[in-house]
Amino acid sequence: QSALTQPRSVSGSPGQSVTISCTGTSSDVGGYNYVSWYQHHPGKAPKLIIYDVFKRPSGVPDRFSGSKSGNTASLTISGLQAEDESDYYCCSYAGSYTDWAFGGGTKLTVL
Amino acid sequence: EVQLVESGGGLLQPGGSLRLSCVASGFTLSSSAMRWVRLAPGKGLEWVSSISSSGATTYYADSVKGRFTISRDSSKNTLYLQMNNLRVEDTALYYCAKGVNYHFDYWGQGTLVTVSS
Repeated sequence: QSALTQPRSVSGSPGQSVTISCTGTSSDVGGYNYVSWYQHHPGKAPKLIIYDVFKRPSGVPDRFSGSKSGNTASLTISGLQAEDESDYYCCSYAGSYTDWAFGGGTKLTVL
Repeated sequence: EVQLVESGGGLLQPGGSLRLSCVASGFTLSSSAMRWVRLAPGKGLEWVSSISSSGATTYYADSVKGRFTISRDSSKNTLYLQMNNLRVEDTALYYCAKGVNYHFDYWGQGTLVTVSS
């Protein structure tokens, strides 16, 4: 069982928006503004798409956005494109610099 | 361009040992914290171990503490994970990742470790 809870799957049509939730506790998501999100196409290297809750690395489209409320973080992908179909994982720092909590992953299907 | 390439995975029996390698290019290991993360079948990502940029401090998840050792060779710009007394539950795809502040900015493609009798 993963430390952070994500929906197993979400889906949307091209052009639509989807939101993936990531629920933790006050010891991780709720306690720090250090939530990050990773896009993972199986067989490839995971890619950082959001860090520090809402910041985007250079080169990541602004269709990807992050937010947090209490113990739940969210990743929103707007204007869905076929290439967005992938697995998405959330991650939160959990306080001791030895503790990184990950979610179980969400499979995004673009219909 | 930053690249991380893992190797060393394989199939082995419980109780066995294995050393994973991660060759870094595009940056020097001594400038960054480095981490190992694994993805077990049907499960989510799990942080395994970290080493500080200075190399002086190492950290381990409780699930591997006492069995795994993280290290690096700066002359080869290579990160290692020595895994001893392997268990079936250590079966996973192992990724090395470059750490920056509180996230992981670059990852390798992973190397598969299968522990089975």
